[in-house]
Amino acid sequence: QVQLVQSGAEVKKPGASVKVSCKASGYTFTGYYMHWVRQAPGQGLEWMGRINPNSGGTNYAQKFQGRVTMTRDTSISTAYMELSRLRSDDTAVYYCARDRVEYSSSRILDYWGQGTLVTVSS
Amino acid sequence: DIVMTQSPDSLAVSLGERATINCKSSQSVLYSSNNKNYLAWYQQKPGQPPKLLIYWASTRESGVPDRFSGSGSGTDFTLTISSLQAEDVAVYYCQQYYSTARVTFGPGTKVDIK
Repeated sequence: QVQLVQSGAEVKKPGASVKVSCKASGYTFTGYYMHWVRQAPGQGLEWMGRINPNSGGTNYAQKFQGRVTMTRDTSISTAYMELSRLRSDDTAVYYCARDRVEYSSSRILDYWGQGTLVTVSS
Repeated sequence: DIVMTQSPDSLAVSLGERATINCKSSQSVLYSSNNKNYLAWYQQKPGQPPKLLIYWASTRESGVPDRFSGSGSGTDFTLTISSLQAEDVAVYYCQQYYSTARVTFGPGTKVDIK
């Protein structure tokens, strides 16, 4: 069965960086785009971008351009999202989510990780 | 960016009754070349990640109970829960995926039991 298991909660100071991992199992990792979505406490969902695990190609939401880097390690079926120059309003739960369509970016998100809480506080 | 709005912000429905959630996009999400609406619905229960319910505006994801249905086209969409069950208490989000560069979600509608 498809599973996405994310790394544990993080506490960071303003200005620091955080790197969240998402380990996939139960399917061919390189066959499906991986997206990253975040959710601030009590708020809605915000799409951050996506990575093609096969090629490593990325597309980022304009809001995060220059601060976010999405990478992958195909040898361990793991995707990563790194966010730099953290601010207090980056405090959120960060989710990885798999694209529903193989070898395409439909942007329909069918499986989600459990979420990683990143707290930014001085 | 395509802006998504939802109404109401919250609603309370008696068990077994119908719940209706509306979603509106700031521009059409109907792609004329394939006549598909690039609109999905997700359910999020407290402390859990979102769960895909419906995509292409009306196609139910595998395993989703048939009391959930989606309708609409262009800019106006509806998610209907035909007979509300206790386990349906959640926040429901619509999402447009028409824009290749920017996926956007609605603000969410909270559904409770009356």
